[in-house]
Amino acid sequence: GQQLNQSPQSMFIQEGEDVSMNCTSSSIFNTWLWYKQEPGEGPVLLIALYKAGELTSNGRLTAQFGITRKDSFLNISASIPSDVGIYFCAGPRRNNDMRFGAGTRLTVKP
Amino acid sequence: KAGVTQTPRYLIKTRGQQVTLSCSPISGHRSVSWYQQTPGQGLQFLFEYFSETQRNKGNFPGRFSGRQFSNSRSEMNVSTLELGDSALYLCASSTGQGDEQYFGPGTRLTVT
Repeated sequence: GQQLNQSPQSMFIQEGEDVSMNCTSSSIFNTWLWYKQEPGEGPVLLIALYKAGELTSNGRLTAQFGITRKDSFLNISASIPSDVGIYFCAGPRRNNDMRFGAGTRLTVKP
Repeated sequence: KAGVTQTPRYLIKTRGQQVTLSCSPISGHRSVSWYQQTPGQGLQFLFEYFSETQRNKGNFPGRFSGRQFSNSRSEMNVSTLELGDSALYLCASSTGQGDEQYFGPGTRLTVT
């Protein structure tokens, strides 16, 4: 079930703007994952973080694993229309029990 | 490496019927997890199979069941379908060691 608090719930931005979203938990995670889902498709893994304090980039996407291990951030720079979708954070607990945030719905206006 | 595949992609059933969905994980992955996704409830965890054994289970009624075969392929079955079972059903595969999961495209089930 969803035990990760993800915000904001939705964002409406202009093409070219930067985007920032975050995910927090009351529990510690050893791995943080960020996914993007487009309509009618399954979520696609964007970035995986394995170490507290880690900062990882994938093109225009940058994600950070919080020092407390209870939060993570995803930033998208210079947004483009194809960035539209729902972004989910996720973290596995013991025995592969994956927890998900509720998602951030991103709309990019050309 | 081929990704996760799910069949069928779309399905329409009537109330009271049963349905079986199939998932083939990435080669070498031994864990398959199933999720139900609806607009109002987001991603809800159904169950996870690892090496043919159910290892984790979410809060769904017994009408939802699954199994995993020796080649790691998994099936999910829903009996006595209800209107509320209409959803996108996603499966995800992983090594099962608490690392990243890779999702299939999903099966869109519509119950009328």
